[in-house]
Amino acid sequence: QKEVEQDPGPLSVPEGAIVSLNCTYSNSAFQYFMWYRQYSRKGPELLMYTYSSGNKEDGRFTAQVDKSSKYISLFIRDSQPSDSATYLCAMSAGTGNQFYFGTGTSLTVIP
Amino acid sequence: GAVVSQHPSWVICKSGTSVKIECRSLDFQATTMFWYRQFPKQSLMLMATSNEGSKATYEQGVEKDKFLINHASLTLSTLTVTSAHPEDSSFYICSARDHVGRQGAGNTIYFGEGSWLTVV
Repeated sequence: QKEVEQDPGPLSVPEGAIVSLNCTYSNSAFQYFMWYRQYSRKGPELLMYTYSSGNKEDGRFTAQVDKSSKYISLFIRDSQPSDSATYLCAMSAGTGNQFYFGTGTSLTVIP
Repeated sequence: GAVVSQHPSWVICKSGTSVKIECRSLDFQATTMFWYRQFPKQSLMLMATSNEGSKATYEQGVEKDKFLINHASLTLSTLTVTSAHPEDSSFYICSARDHVGRQGAGNTIYFGEGSWLTVV
């Protein structure tokens, strides 16, 4: 079983839709959770960072962590064509520990 | 957010030559940097973990004599692809671990822009 599972998509939505991206994981020691956005031919960009459980909101983006279910989500409200990218989840148990990545979900927002 | 600069963004080299890629953390000290390889439409593949002042730890299947990693300072790690061949052509990305944290991100990593290597 992989440490982190992420549906690769592709996911295609109309502009203005709410997008839900998800990852599941198996290691209960993970405490640090990140979402990255990667545009084609570019390095990943950190979007959201969450420590332990709970929600975090930043503009149109909301990250949720449910440690009891080992499930994290990224919601994008009022999606825009500029949100079209691959979204990677990542997690770590802490300092000195490795980071584990999902395979990425490809998102296309259609104008 | 923290900035990690990677250089060059793209490079073309002849088969058999060596090429060096630099990764710099511009506004924080990074005791740990990571090097990845990414094939088109695939996820990141971790090649090695680089710790400042010590030898890099390579993932299984990655040739350490071919992919030389040096992390001589807290802000610079380099990846040298030695005796490059066309099959080494790929997108190489570095990342740096930020322990201190900005905006509450106490333990996260920031990526460079990536380097496209084409071996002809």
